[in-house]
Amino acid sequence: GESVGLHLPTLSVQEGDNSIINCAYSNSASDYFIWYKQESGKGPQFIIDIRSNMDKRQGQRVTVLLNKTVKHLSLQIAATQPGDSAVYFCAENRAGGSYIPTFGRGTSLIVHP
Amino acid sequence: GAVVSQHPSRVICKSGTSVKIECRSLDFQATTMFWYRQFPKQSLMLMATSNEGSKATYEQGVEKDKFLINHASLTLSTLTVTSAHPEDSSFYICSVRGNNSPLHFGNGTRLTVT
Repeated sequence: GESVGLHLPTLSVQEGDNSIINCAYSNSASDYFIWYKQESGKGPQFIIDIRSNMDKRQGQRVTVLLNKTVKHLSLQIAATQPGDSAVYFCAENRAGGSYIPTFGRGTSLIVHP
Repeated sequence: GAVVSQHPSRVICKSGTSVKIECRSLDFQATTMFWYRQFPKQSLMLMATSNEGSKATYEQGVEKDKFLINHASLTLSTLTVTSAHPEDSSFYICSVRGNNSPLHFGNGTRLTVT
């Protein structure tokens, strides 16, 4: 049937600003986390991942922070560009080590030029 | 990482007909592929795990007789939506996990059932 029209959380930023996208995960036993970027009409694209034995991991213009105490994950994007506009999903690996990710709700990032 | 090709990208079919979606792993021999479904403005929901040479593993609430999965080779998995109805209209995405790497996704198939 039709979807209920849930609205994704939206983050609007100006080009050049830094963006921070937050995610709360549910399973305290999860030990592997991934951020994906999904542009309209496309499949998710891997951005960065982090294992639970780390608190921070940096990539090119992106940083992921993991706070296991409060089960919180964040993605920081430096010098945000219009091409960064997309929906961002965090995913945690399923408990049991099967590494089949469970996706969070998603955040829509809108970058204004 | 694995390169995943999905076909078709869009399909419109009439209610009651069946539709087959192909997922190919182009540079990696995948014993396991995953099929997700995504409704507008919602997250990805895992439908089933496709296992090469054996039966797929379906998530709770997913009808295995409606969503037929075949994984006959290490590079191809197919999802057939049988007797499609308008409520099956969705974005179907397959994925592959390479060695020691996260999932890599195809570009999805937009299914519209009229």
